[in-house]
Amino acid sequence: NAGVTQTPKFQVLKTGQSMTLQCAQDMNHEYMSWYRQDPGMGLRLIHYSVGAGITDQGEVPNGYNVSRSTTEDFPLRLLSAAPSQTSVYFCASSAGFSNQPQHFGDGTRLSIL
Amino acid sequence: AQSVTQLDSQVPVFEEAPVELRCNYSSSVSVYLFWYVQYPNQGLQLLLKYLSGSTLVESINGFEAEFNKSQTSFHLRKPSVHISDTAEYFCAVSVRGSNYKLTFGKGTLLTVNP
Repeated sequence: NAGVTQTPKFQVLKTGQSMTLQCAQDMNHEYMSWYRQDPGMGLRLIHYSVGAGITDQGEVPNGYNVSRSTTEDFPLRLLSAAPSQTSVYFCASSAGFSNQPQHFGDGTRLSIL
Repeated sequence: AQSVTQLDSQVPVFEEAPVELRCNYSSSVSVYLFWYVQYPNQGLQLLLKYLSGSTLVESINGFEAEFNKSQTSFHLRKPSVHISDTAEYFCAVSVRGSNYKLTFGKGTLLTVNP
């Protein structure tokens, strides 16, 4: 049972480059979200989706785009990478009710030079 | 909007000692409460949750947390810790009956020393 799968696990980019972080879940969860984790900051919500075709902004959306064309996939796009986006990115999914736990991927460690 | 405060950023303890990781929340509406654990280089895993009913909830590995509505707290405790409990612990809240978003505290790094 794969759960939430994130790729790649590590990535180094140069300032100004673009890339897509992939996230896939096999639990048929409606709700998916992206967080970034920085030292001493906890997890901050970037974007989330409550179902295919529906996305919304979280706490720190600037510089990131998302789309949700299928229930399974929720990619995160960095449009023009900046050093401030150096972070660990986590994708999570849940069954879609606020009392349900979120299931996290193992993260993508991204460095922007 | 809701918020979560974890009062200690780091908690060092010796093996077999008791530990308490503190969590306070702020919300104008009823919430669900969660503790997640993150082991090094891994994602977060649910440790335990409070939804309703008994205010004391337990995990399978000996942790427990007590919901205190009057003090708006959800502190995590374990009577005797092991080296393997070394990890970062996050308290989180979601709003009952509303959207699905989780609001996290900034985390507490528990380090268990031999």
